[in-house]
Parts: sequence; C-alpha cells; structure tokens
Amino acid sequence: NAGVTQTPKFRVLKTGQSMTLLCAQDMNHEYMYWYRQDPGMGLRLIHYSVGEGTTAKGEVPDGYNVSRLKKQNFLLGLESAAPSQTSVYFCASSYSEATISINTEAFFGQGTRLTVV
Amino acid sequence: GEDVEQSLFLSVREGDSSVINCTYTDSSSTYLYWYKQEPGAGLQLLTYIFSNMDMKQDQRLTVLLNKKDKHLSLRIADTQTGDSAIYFCAESIDQAGTALIFGKGTTLSVSS
Repeated sequence: NAGVTQTPKFRVLKTGQSMTLLCAQDMNHEYMYWYRQDPGMGLRLIHYSVGEGTTAKGEVPDGYNVSRLKKQNFLLGLESAAPSQTSVYFCASSYSEATISINTEAFFGQGTRLTVV
Repeated sequence: GEDVEQSLFLSVREGDSSVINCTYTDSSSTYLYWYKQEPGAGLQLLTYIFSNMDMKQDQRLTVLLNKKDKHLSLRIADTQTGDSAIYFCAESIDQAGTALIFGKGTTLSVSS
C-alpha cells in the first residue's frame, strides 16, 4: 500500500522557470492538500481540494496553482519560480467524513525539497 | 486570520513527563490535532481531540483542551529517546475538520 507519493523528491530551479509537483494517493481519499514547510514557519497550507474537480485557497496561495482532474492526483504548479518559494513541500490526503473519527487523519507524503536559485 | 502558536523547544530527561503547549485562534475549530515529525519524514498523526471534549487519554499521551482560553496541551508520560521529534499542533479551518492550520512545531529533545 503506497499511501501518499510525491514526485520529484528533490528539484533545483532557476528563477522564472516553471514546474509541477505531483501528489498521488491510492487510499480513495476525497480531500487532498499541499503544504510548504519553512524553518521557523512550520507548515502552511497552500491550496486544498475537497474532491475531484474542486480546489480552494489556503493560507499562502499566491504564486501557486493547483489542479485535481483525477481523484487520486493533486498537482501543484509554479508558473514562474522565485527564490521565496524555496521550501519543502508536503502533500497530504484524508477522508471527508469527520464524523468517522479515524477518517479525520491526514496522511502525509515524504516531501519534495525545492530550491530556487 | 487563523493562527496557531507553540513554544519552539523543549528538553527533558528520559523517564520524565513532557508537556507541549499550544494556543489557537479559531473558536469554531471542530478538531484539534497533534502531529509528530521525525527527521527526514512526513508528519504522522499522534492524536486528536474533538472540540467538545476537555481531555483525551491514549496510552502515554494525554491531551487537554481549554476551549475558553483556546489552549491545547500534549503530555507524554515516561518520555523515551524515541519520542525525540518535532511536534505540531493544528486546528481545522473547515467544517469537516480536515483542512488544517499548523503551528511552527515544538522540537522535543530527550536525553538519557
């Protein structure tokens, strides 16, 4: 059971380049999320999705776009990378039914370390 | 906007109890969570508490919630060296309780 898989694991970009981070989950989860983790800042929610074809903004959405064309995949795009987007990016997924307590757990991927030079 | 605050560092000796504190701002949060992150890994859910509860105990973990003061704490009894990690407090910002705002994390260091 793979859980949540992020690709790539590492990437170095030049300022102005674009790229897409892929998150895939095999648990049939409705909700998926993209976070960035920075030293001294903790985890911050970028965008999230409550189901296929839907997305919503989190705390720090500027400079990022997302798409959820398939239930199992959540893509995070950087159209024009900036050094301020150097970070570790975590994807997570969870069920939507909060009344079923165990299904409130968010499962995290291993992270993607992105450096923008 | 929503904000979650927690102390950055805690150092304890093996066998002692650890208490990690957290304050949050969104009084409508339905669930509050504690996650653990070990070096080089993603986050793993440790425990959670529903907003209408005051306390939850799960083996060595005790979560206390003071909703009036918007204060959450995690107590780890008989702390072990394997408990050394970063602990994140998180509050939910959606009705389903699944879109989370995290604190900056508390680094717990356990010495033998």
